[in-house]
Amino acid sequence: AQSVTQPDIHITVSEGASLELRCNYSYGATPYLFWYVQSPGQGLQLLLKYFSGDTLVQGIKGFEAEFKRSQSSFNLRKPSVHWSDAAEYFCAVSHRGGADGLTFGKGTHLIIQP
Amino acid sequence: EPEVTQTPSHQVTQMGQEVILRCVPISNHLYFYWYRQILGQKVEFLVSFYNNEISEKSEIFDDQFSVERPDGSNFTLKIRSTKLEDSAMYFCASRAEQGPLHFGNGTRLTVT
Repeated sequence: AQSVTQPDIHITVSEGASLELRCNYSYGATPYLFWYVQSPGQGLQLLLKYFSGDTLVQGIKGFEAEFKRSQSSFNLRKPSVHWSDAAEYFCAVSHRGGADGLTFGKGTHLIIQP
Repeated sequence: EPEVTQTPSHQVTQMGQEVILRCVPISNHLYFYWYRQILGQKVEFLVSFYNNEISEKSEIFDDQFSVERPDGSNFTLKIRSTKLEDSAMYFCASRAEQGPLHFGNGTRLTVT
């Protein structure tokens, strides 16, 4: 069965600093990978996705993620965070491009220090 | 940009009552989903729906749950007899044939 691990429950970053949120997945074949962001009281917004091709994917709000098959990872990065980036971030995996349900990680809560 | 809309945003109900959570998926989407998130926990898949039938469901989606697409625009989740542990945020999502999921803002269900 597929699974997703986000090892960091909370991360605190200073505004303007770089960010990396870790995500590891477990799945036998090439997965479809996603990052979603959830602001307080809001739904889940898709930041970016990886289906195939270039392993470095660009998303909205200046985020990017890199798929590394050898490490079973899909870490999310941003070169300079803004206070508005404070939110919960979820990594998710699907094995049929979303034709079945996504499996989510437990999320990483991002705190931005002034 | 088209959005998935969910109503109500917050629903309070008494244990044992039936609730219906409503969703209007994006109009040209064909695949519909319900997820839930218990406070402080991760988002969990409940059910997927395509071509007027359930295509996949999780262990959580037991006989107390049902889904329906009563017309061309709505997609509903019914909980027949709510339990305290059904208190959660329920998210509806939809997608096109090859696209990613688009989520609504959720309905917070509180069972007292």
